[in-house]
Amino acid sequence: AQSVSQHNHHVILSEAASLELGCNYSYGGTVNLFWYVQYPGQHLQLLLKYFSGDPLVKGIKGFEAEFIKSKFSFNLRKPSVQWSDTAEYFCATRYNFNKFYFGSGTKLNVKP
Amino acid sequence: DARVTQTPRHKVTEMGQEVTMRCQPILGHNTVFWYRQTMMQGLELLAYFRNRAPLDDSGMPKDRFSAEMPDATLATLKIQPSEPRDSAVYFCASGFRELRTGELFFGEGSRLTVL
Repeated sequence: AQSVSQHNHHVILSEAASLELGCNYSYGGTVNLFWYVQYPGQHLQLLLKYFSGDPLVKGIKGFEAEFIKSKFSFNLRKPSVQWSDTAEYFCATRYNFNKFYFGSGTKLNVKP
Repeated sequence: DARVTQTPRHKVTEMGQEVTMRCQPILGHNTVFWYRQTMMQGLELLAYFRNRAPLDDSGMPKDRFSAEMPDATLATLKIQPSEPRDSAVYFCASGFRELRTGELFFGEGSRLTVL
């Protein structure tokens, strides 16, 4: 079965610091990869996704993620975080256009 | 602005009581997922439906949990009897399968506390 690992459970950064959140998945076949974000008090929403093509994916609010097939990774990055990026971030995979599998989430706390 | 609606947002109950959580998917979406979020397990897939038919509920404890879609506008997740270990946030999400856009639309969750 597929699994998704997020190694950072809680990250604390100061504003303007760079961010990288790790995500590894276990499935060796064709996968679709996603990052979702949950801002405090809000529902999960899509940040970005990768289906095929350019392995560097741009999302909303200056986020990007890079798909590295050889490492089974899909890390999320942002060059300079803002206080408003404080949220919980979830990596997810989907195969066969059916089930979504989510990681355990990473709570990001950005200090102003 | 279309959104997935979940009720109740918060529920505190005592062990042994029945709990029913409801979800109204976005109109026209044909897939519905139930997830449970805990600190230890993260987001676990409990069940999912396509065109109201249950496709997979292998993530759900069968003896006490049940999930149904009585109609296209309502999905329910029932726990009977509830136990303290069921305390978690339960999320419903809906989407289209055929469009293959990949995006799931989530509700705001039902936070369950079983004492």
